[in-house]
Amino acid sequence: TQLLEQSPQFLSIQEGENLTVYCNSSSVFSSLQWYRQEPGEGPVLLVTVVTGGEVKKLKRLTFQFGDARKDSSLHITAAQPGDTGLYLCAGQGGSSARQLTFGSGTQLTVLP
Amino acid sequence: DAGITQSPRHKVTETGTPVTLRCHQTENHRYMYWYRQDPGHGLRLIHYSYGVKDTDKGEVSDGYSVSRSKTEDFLLTLESATSSQTSVYFCAISTQQGYEAFFGQGTRLTVV
Repeated sequence: TQLLEQSPQFLSIQEGENLTVYCNSSSVFSSLQWYRQEPGEGPVLLVTVVTGGEVKKLKRLTFQFGDARKDSSLHITAAQPGDTGLYLCAGQGGSSARQLTFGSGTQLTVLP
Repeated sequence: DAGITQSPRHKVTETGTPVTLRCHQTENHRYMYWYRQDPGHGLRLIHYSYGVKDTDKGEVSDGYSVSRSKTEDFLLTLESATSSQTSVYFCAISTQQGYEAFFGQGTRLTVV
């Protein structure tokens, strides 16, 4: 079974601060996806990274895929209360090539 | 809105009773998935389908069965509900296996 470990599990910060969430595995993935989930809703896809070393930006969010395709990070600049939510990473490929393996999530709270 | 409807959205049932959750999509996507989400575990795959009448087990399939008689509908059945199956259940669809997933809004199931 492939494991994706996310850290930190919980993060509470003030509006305007920067933060980074990490997603690590011992397995190599073909691609890695980041989702955000709000209370009472299903996860919503934010981005997919495919190439080792790839960096993608989505407004104030920066996503990076590790060179070895085993890890990823999500950096948020100048966090806002609207960024509050559960952030999930999901890896595709590796030993169970066809399935998505989800991390346990990072619960982010941005205080006004 | 990815055109996914889960029903019911909430259900309370007694231990030992059968329960069926329904997922309906209007996107004509080939792949459909059932996940459960529990605190500290992220999303875990229960079963998935890669076409009408084509299904396979996921990571946590014990105690669950599925059926897909039409492209648009994927049913999850708990033959005899147990308290350990209290969870939030999400249906998801994708165009390719392991590709970006679109999720429904979830069904909160409580087994008492």
